[in-house]
Amino acid sequence: GAVVSQHPSRVICKSGTSVKIECRSLDFQATTMFWYRQFPKQSLMLMATSNEGSKATYEQGVEKDKFLINHASLTLSTLTVTSAHPEDSSFYICSASSVGGDSYEQYFGPGTRLTVT
Amino acid sequence: AQSVSQHNHHVILSEAASLELGCNYSYGGTVNLFWYVQYPGQHLQLLLKYFSGDPLVKGIKGFEAEFIKSKFSFNLRKPSVQWSDTAEYFCAVNSPTSGTYKYIFGTGTRLKVLA
Repeated sequence: GAVVSQHPSRVICKSGTSVKIECRSLDFQATTMFWYRQFPKQSLMLMATSNEGSKATYEQGVEKDKFLINHASLTLSTLTVTSAHPEDSSFYICSASSVGGDSYEQYFGPGTRLTVT
Repeated sequence: AQSVSQHNHHVILSEAASLELGCNYSYGGTVNLFWYVQYPGQHLQLLLKYFSGDPLVKGIKGFEAEFIKSKFSFNLRKPSVQWSDTAEYFCAVNSPTSGTYKYIFGTGTRLKVLA
């Protein structure tokens, strides 16, 4: 149980375009989803916390207008990287916490590798 | 501010050697503690977790960790590593009393096991 999927797994886009990454909880309802960014050989950096039906809470230094997060349902959150630039190239990982269960634990998706050319 | 320290950034061991990876956190309240593993090219997998109870926690793949509250530590151990344990290991902490369940991750420890 507690499976989280991400789509796409890899995406290449041109500089200036936008790209959307989906994060889905497949077998549970997630009140809270988290978006992370991982640079090569580094730890995960939390970008934002996404609560279903409300605005995301962004970490300090993360541009909310550049990284748009929508958590429209209890099973889906999306991250849109707007006007992407090469420095946005990274590995983006989402995680989800379940409703009513062991909500202290996050379940991680497989990640999306974004390359901006 | 809360933080998590993993002092060993790179560890190289031979197969069958014993492993201990350090994890220390700074937070005075109630904490939940996690160890995750990330195999090359793969996503994070939970090795084990501690919420309460017995401070010695057993996880998957023969790993265990001990929560020592007085030392603010949650070190990961395995008595005999295998080549397949080559991966990056992350310690994470969250605080259920903080009002948010977001994790604070350590910087990670890259383990290489020589066959």
